[in-house]
Amino acid sequence: EPEVTQTPSHQVTQMGQEVILRCVPISNHLYFYWYRQILGQKVEFLVSFYNNEISEKSEIFDDQFSVERPDGSNFTLKIRSTKLEDSAMYFCASSVGQGLSEAFFGQGTRLTVV
Amino acid sequence: AQSVTQLDSHVSVSEGTPVLLRCNYSSSYSPSLFWYVQHPNKGLQLLLKYTSAATLVKGINGFEAEFKKSETSFHLTKPSAHMSDAAEYFCVVSGRGSSNTGKLIFGQGTTLQVKP
Repeated sequence: EPEVTQTPSHQVTQMGQEVILRCVPISNHLYFYWYRQILGQKVEFLVSFYNNEISEKSEIFDDQFSVERPDGSNFTLKIRSTKLEDSAMYFCASSVGQGLSEAFFGQGTRLTVV
Repeated sequence: AQSVTQLDSHVSVSEGTPVLLRCNYSSSYSPSLFWYVQHPNKGLQLLLKYTSAATLVKGINGFEAEFKKSETSFHLTKPSAHMSDAAEYFCVVSGRGSSNTGKLIFGQGTTLQVKP
């Protein structure tokens, strides 16, 4: 069964460092998303990506964040200068379409900023 | 704007008894509604979805949910709980409209505990 895969499963980084979280969406999917879940809080939308550009982003997704689909298979989330409050579980998701289509989620990357 | 409220943060049932996880939604548009489940150290898995077809939706593992527009509810039920159902459950809404980008809005989550 096709699945969304995320690497690494756990990343520890020093405050101020750049991190790149990687995702391989399902191959025939066209819409890509990043969500995050701070410990004890709800899952929050960060950004959606379609046709090689951001289609929507949340208030959380400020200039420190960027996304890229560098090679047609990977979908990355970069945090330029990490802060302690960026510590969270980050989920990548992909879907064939939008709205009515099921979004398939990866297992998540737990980011710990120290 | 869309939102969902899960009315219980924690539900505890005995194995073999019914499960009820409550969810209310708010949406300016005709909503698409989903229930996702998250087992420990696993990703989010879709249980079922409502997309304006039948109001009673059947999902995987014996779960079902009923869309009630008059009550703006989408409660998740299962007739008989199994130990393997212990997990975190999320009620999710996806809005339609001119700005629909497939963004999902999650409820706070309900932790289901199943006692032997």
